[in-house]
Amino acid sequence: QLQLQESGPGLVKPSETLSLTCTVSGGSISSSSYYWGWIRQPPGKGLEWIGSIYYSGSTYYNPSLKSRVTISVDTSKNQFSLKLSSVTAADTAVYYCARLIVATITFDYWGQGTLVTVSS
Amino acid sequence: QSALTQPRSVSGSPGQSVTISCTGTSSDVGGYNYVSWYQQHPGKAPKLMIYDVSKRPSGVPDRFSGSKSGNTASLTISGLQAEDEADYYCCSYAGSYTFEGVFGTGTKVTVL
Repeated sequence: QLQLQESGPGLVKPSETLSLTCTVSGGSISSSSYYWGWIRQPPGKGLEWIGSIYYSGSTYYNPSLKSRVTISVDTSKNQFSLKLSSVTAADTAVYYCARLIVATITFDYWGQGTLVTVSS
Repeated sequence: QSALTQPRSVSGSPGQSVTISCTGTSSDVGGYNYVSWYQQHPGKAPKLMIYDVSKRPSGVPDRFSGSKSGNTASLTISGLQAEDEADYYCCSYAGSYTFEGVFGTGTKVTVL
């Protein structure tokens, strides 16, 4: 059974960089059938797609976040990571990692999510 | 890239049917047959319920069905059950040259 687990600091100061890692178990991140993505959900609000990455390193980002987002992959560790720079309180959210089926926007497996609060 | 439009809430009694709409544009919902739907219970991660407009993953009850007409996709829950009370989000492919996605605003389903 595929499992995804987010990890990283739960508190980040304004203007700093948010860094999260998603560890994939029960399957290979190097599968040609899937992308890997990040989605966030501010408290009490809806879902927002942040970006996605293929095992080869190809990335796609939400245009509204593109200037601040970097997603990378480490196939040796079966992990992929998110960095969001110059954070503000508006970036406070539950951050989810998920698996996407190639050629569609279908998130078929999700991590449990991790709350990141931006505050001094 | 604007969020797809969903009704804020819908409700129904047990056994009834409810339909949730998801309205976009010809650049997303109307342009591709890649609409998915997710169910989210409070404090939990979203769960895939429908993909590619109308396909159901293994394990999802056949009470859940999806369709699309023009720029609007729909999720119908037939034979509503208490455990169906949750938030529901649609998501559509939104990039012809890039791999971009856009979520809907979300709908709260209440079982009366």
